[in-house]
Amino acid sequence: AQSVTQLDSHVSVSEGTPVLLRCNYSSSYSPSLFWYVQHPNKGLQLLLKYTSAATLVKGINGFEAEFKKSETSFHLTKPSAHMSDAAEYFCATDNAGNMLTFGGGTRLMVKP
Amino acid sequence: EAGVAQSPRYKIIEKRQSVAFWCNPISGHATLYWYQQILGQGPKLLIQFQNNGVVDDSQLPKDRFSAERLKGVDSTLKIQPAKLEDSAVYLCASSLAAVLNEQFFGPGTRLTVL
Repeated sequence: AQSVTQLDSHVSVSEGTPVLLRCNYSSSYSPSLFWYVQHPNKGLQLLLKYTSAATLVKGINGFEAEFKKSETSFHLTKPSAHMSDAAEYFCATDNAGNMLTFGGGTRLMVKP
Repeated sequence: EAGVAQSPRYKIIEKRQSVAFWCNPISGHATLYWYQQILGQGPKLLIQFQNNGVVDDSQLPKDRFSAERLKGVDSTLKIQPAKLEDSAVYLCASSLAAVLNEQFFGPGTRLTVL
């Protein structure tokens, strides 16, 4: 069965500094991997997805993630954090039927 | 393009009462999903519909939860009777098709069971 583990429940950065949100996956085959963002009282929004094409995936709002098969990781990064990036971030994987399995989430806090 | 609509946004009920949630997916989206998101956790898929048929409901607690999508468009999720542990945000999502299609999420319904 597929699963994802988000290694940090909370991450705090200062505005303008890099962001790193960590995600490890477990899958018996080459997975599709996703990062979603959830702002308070809003639905989840897709940031980016990996579907076995380029291993470095660029998403919206300056985020990107790199698929590393040898490390079973799909970490989310951004060079410079903005205050508006403060939110909950979820890593997810899916099976062939498009059913998503989510990690536990990482709350990103951005300090001025 | 209008997004996924859900109502109500908030609901407070007492245990053993019944509650229903409504979802209107993006026009033309054949696949609809209901997720349960307990505070501090990631969303968990409850049920997936393809048009008006159920694709997967293996994680739906069928003794108390039911869902339908009679005309292949809107969907309702019902809990009867509710338990304290059902307190969560219930998210509806839709996608064009069931294979490798982006899921678009609604704002959710926050249920509190007292």
